[in-house]
Amino acid sequence: KAGVTQTPRYLIKTRGQQVTLSCSPISGHRSVSWYQQTPGQGLQFLFEYFSETQRNKGNFPGRFSGRQFSNSRSEMNVSTLELGDSALYLCASSGDSKGGEAFFGQGTRLTVV
Amino acid sequence: GESVGLHLPTLSVQEGDNSIINCAYSNSASDYFIWYKQESGKGPQFIIDIRSNMDKRQGQRVTVLLNKTVKHLSLQIAATQPGDSAVYFCAENKAAQKLVFGQGTRLTINP
Repeated sequence: KAGVTQTPRYLIKTRGQQVTLSCSPISGHRSVSWYQQTPGQGLQFLFEYFSETQRNKGNFPGRFSGRQFSNSRSEMNVSTLELGDSALYLCASSGDSKGGEAFFGQGTRLTVV
Repeated sequence: GESVGLHLPTLSVQEGDNSIINCAYSNSASDYFIWYKQESGKGPQFIIDIRSNMDKRQGQRVTVLLNKTVKHLSLQIAATQPGDSAVYFCAENKAAQKLVFGQGTRLTINP
């Protein structure tokens, strides 16, 4: 069974640009959540989708958005990039609709210059 | 509030010794806790979980203890090996897959 796949692995963008990151969950999993990991703030929850609906959202500005497709694949978008958006963005999938073991991908390392 | 924290940022142990990593949480309403291991360049890897109706759960070389009275969670790793070197995170899983992570503890194994 393939794990969670995130693309791209590495990305360099310029301030003011926008970026789209992709996550393919484990086959059969319908819950996909996104996290931002930085040395200073640690792992912080961005949002979670289940069956194409956003169920939970963390405390991030509106520049951070996401969506989920009918095949459970998810994308997150960050607009008007800032230097502080440089981070490892992690996606996790789960087969449990109410809460359970979440499997993480290897992440996308975003660097904003 | 939503806060899961770790007592120690770093822990060094001798190879073969047991390791104990601690975590405090503040949300007494939480009912599910998880420990993750993150190696350099990789995403967090699930180690073991425990629900609030349990005090202890054992896995392969790992044991998680939950003390709801003092809101404390610990991860015990038996016979620590070089491959156990990583950052360990405790996390509180709220409803609908919202994980609140602690800051992490870096475990270093001395030969």
